[in-house]
Amino acid sequence: VIWMTQSPSLLSASTGDRVTISCRMSQGISSYLAWYQQKPGKAPELLIYAASTLQSGVPSRFSGSGSGTDFTLTISCLQSEDFATYYCQQYYSFPWTFGQGTKVEIK
Amino acid sequence: EVQLVQSGAEVKKPGESLKISCKGSGYSFTSYWIGWVRQMPGKGLEWMGIIYPGDSDTRYSPSFQGQVTISADKSISTAYLQWSSLKASDTAMYYCARPCRDGYKNDAFDIWGQGTMVTVSS
Repeated sequence: VIWMTQSPSLLSASTGDRVTISCRMSQGISSYLAWYQQKPGKAPELLIYAASTLQSGVPSRFSGSGSGTDFTLTISCLQSEDFATYYCQQYYSFPWTFGQGTKVEIK
Repeated sequence: EVQLVQSGAEVKKPGESLKISCKGSGYSFTSYWIGWVRQMPGKGLEWMGIIYPGDSDTRYSPSFQGQVTISADKSISTAYLQWSSLKASDTAMYYCARPCRDGYKNDAFDIWGQGTMVTVSS
């Protein structure tokens, strides 16, 4: 099983801030990493796949980077609609696993 | 429109059985894997398992192996998640989800069902 450490678990930020969320793997996964956004009462939505490819329709202020064991999600200029919980997920080897989640809240 | 539509919320007692469903439409159901994800109240996402409806190849997370059964009926484009004996700890929202590319299991989930809330309480 590949273990994932996502940090921070809680991030307080203001509209317009640049924020970064980290995801570290217990072993290398090449670029088999996705990032999702989840708002309360809703299903997760795919933001980034293959570590750095923006899903169609996702604003360009979202970006992903990294490969191997260390990955980052960056929101360049936080908007009000970005306050949500974010999860990373590896799909390199079974079982797929999710990070613990990062809640981005209003400062 | 590509979508996954899940069955409605369920309230069950411990020890009861349950089968929830996820119906795919707008795409070739037999060509895409479908996964299941659990979210306990106030908690994160947990990957449970995945099935390829084309040949019923199924993989489980060790955490859920033996606890649930994943199946699919390709004739009606529907995947299932079932329990033979529910526990209170099975109370959660359950999502089905489809990977981006047909035939690929090593892929992110770009299509999600709306979720099925399962409540198990005596």
